[in-house]
Amino acid sequence: NAGVTQTPKFQVLKTGQSMTLQCAQDMNHNSMYWYRQDPGMGLRLIYYSASEGTTDKGEVPNGYNVSRLNKREFSLRLESAAPSQTSVYFCASSGGMADTQYFGPGTRLTVL
Amino acid sequence: KQEVTQIPAALSVPEGENLVLNCSFTDSAIYNLQWFRQDPGKGLTSLLLIQSSQREQTSGRLNASLDKSSGRSTLYIAASQPGDSATYLCAVRRSGSARQLTFGSGTQLTVLP
Repeated sequence: NAGVTQTPKFQVLKTGQSMTLQCAQDMNHNSMYWYRQDPGMGLRLIYYSASEGTTDKGEVPNGYNVSRLNKREFSLRLESAAPSQTSVYFCASSGGMADTQYFGPGTRLTVL
Repeated sequence: KQEVTQIPAALSVPEGENLVLNCSFTDSAIYNLQWFRQDPGKGLTSLLLIQSSQREQTSGRLNASLDKSSGRSTLYIAASQPGDSATYLCAVRRSGSARQLTFGSGTQLTVLP
């Protein structure tokens, strides 16, 4: 099983450019999440999707949009990138009673 | 608002030592608590999940305990090995329908050969 996959692994953008981070899971999980990780700040939730067709804001949603394309895929879009969005982005999924979250390998994004 | 604290931020021990990592949280109304491991440049790997009704969970050399009333969890690593070197993060999920996790900043563990 691939688990949770993310593309791309690395990306450099200029301020104002847009891009979409892709995430897919093959564990038939209902819930999916996008986090960002910054030094000294821990992981912070950007958006989550409790089930296909629903999305909700997390702790730091400003400047981002998401799409739950189907049960497998959950994308994160930066419409107009800013240097403050330089970070490592992780996608995760969870399901079942225990609801353990499984993480992808991350996307390292730099905005110049 | 839930806050999760992990102390110390970094820990260095010689190989073979038993060690304890600490996690504290401010709101005891939690659904579960998870411990993760993160290697440099990698994603998070789930180690143990403790439901709010449980007191501890064990997996191999790892034992995690939970004291909801005092807002504390510990991760005990027995007979540490250099391969245990990583950052360890705890995260809590609050009670209710929301499934979000609130993370601590992690403890960076180095096990010296």
